[in-house]
Amino acid sequence: NAGVMQNPRHLVRRRGQEARLRCSPMKGHSHVYWYRQLPEEGLKFMVYLQKENIIDESGMPKERFSAEFPKEGPSILRIQQVVRGDSAAYFCASSPPGTSSNEQFFGPGTRLTVL
Amino acid sequence: AQSVAQPEDQVNVAEGNPLTVKCTYSVSGNPYLFWYVQYPNRGLQFLLKYITGDNLVKGSYGFEAEFNKSQTSFHLKKPSALVSDSALYFCAVSPNTGGFKTIFGAGTRLFVKA
Repeated sequence: NAGVMQNPRHLVRRRGQEARLRCSPMKGHSHVYWYRQLPEEGLKFMVYLQKENIIDESGMPKERFSAEFPKEGPSILRIQQVVRGDSAAYFCASSPPGTSSNEQFFGPGTRLTVL
Repeated sequence: AQSVAQPEDQVNVAEGNPLTVKCTYSVSGNPYLFWYVQYPNRGLQFLLKYITGDNLVKGSYGFEAEFNKSQTSFHLKKPSALVSDSALYFCAVSPNTGGFKTIFGAGTRLFVKA
């Protein structure tokens, strides 16, 4: 059973460009979470999604950031008009359906660098 | 507000000595508690969790954690540290209120010296 997959692993963008980060959850997992980790800092929750639904986006910046988890295909975190402050590691995690007692399984992360 | 505190940015121990990484939380009700470990340039790996029952939980790689409800703490412990345990450790809390949001602590960097 393949783990959570994220691509690309490294992404370089110039200011003003768009960044698209992809996450394929583990097989059988219907819950996807996105986190941001700044250098030498902890994880900050961004958004929690189930198939075709955003359940909790309380950690998402109000502008430029969006996320989706379509019926088919990976979850996408999209950052429009990137700025240098968006440079960070973005981690996706998934968990199986059920309760919040289930641990999350993390992908290797996408490291975004904005020039 | 719900929060998780890891009061130590860094913990230094000598190999073979016991280690403790501290975590306290402020969440209403009976939350679920987790520990994760992160190695350089990697995602987080699950170590152990407390759901209910025995306050001492055993996890991967010889780690264990003790849940203390009165002190709202969930400290991570290991009887004998290894150099390979050096990593970043995160405590996390998931409120048992029907939602799925998990709150992570800021992380504690563990250095184990040979």
